[in-house]
Amino acid sequence: DAEITQSPRHKITETGRQVTLACHQTWNHNNMFWYRQDLGHGLRLIHYSYGVQDTNKGEVSDGYSVSRSNTEDLPLTLESAASSQTSVYFCASSEWRGVGYEQYFGPGTRLTVT
Amino acid sequence: ELKVEQNPLFLSMQEGKNYTIYCNYSTTSDRLYWYRQDPGKSLESLFVLLSNGAVKQEGRLMASLDTKARLSTLHITAAVHDLSATYFCAVDLYSGNTPLVFGKGTRLSVIA
Repeated sequence: DAEITQSPRHKITETGRQVTLACHQTWNHNNMFWYRQDLGHGLRLIHYSYGVQDTNKGEVSDGYSVSRSNTEDLPLTLESAASSQTSVYFCASSEWRGVGYEQYFGPGTRLTVT
Repeated sequence: ELKVEQNPLFLSMQEGKNYTIYCNYSTTSDRLYWYRQDPGKSLESLFVLLSNGAVKQEGRLMASLDTKARLSTLHITAAVHDLSATYFCAVDLYSGNTPLVFGKGTRLSVIA
């Protein structure tokens, strides 16, 4: 079955380290998104992509980067991890459903920056 | 800037009772989404509301959309414990194929 996966599911890292979170989908969706979830904030958009070589900044993009070299993957990199980036990260992809796009979410990655 | 506000943020309700969660958004949008999240889990799509006056029902949950008032409601009928979860509404950031802007979520606890 087609799916969207994230790895690792849990990560502990130290302040200042570079960290990459993987997102892989097998639906061949062009549109992919990264969100972070924090208590009291809901989900906030970090970066998104509409296709290979396309990336766009979201509401909370500072300190994060993405690259899109193929349709299936959108890795999220924290250039120099900070304690404020401790969060749960969700990747999503979307497809056209006839009357609109619907997003499907991965299982999430819980990142702790110490 | 598009803002999405939900209320209440926390809701404790007795089994068998009815209640409504409200979702207001600040700018015109074509579509509104409702998601459910269980603790430690991902988001599960519940409803996609596409037009003014749209109403969708699934089991004990019914969602409606009033685009003129920029308001969506999620009505819970005769709550059961299995409905305990966090419910999010979300709106397209731009018209069409776009990221979503989420409300802060409503944490629902159904107690006996």
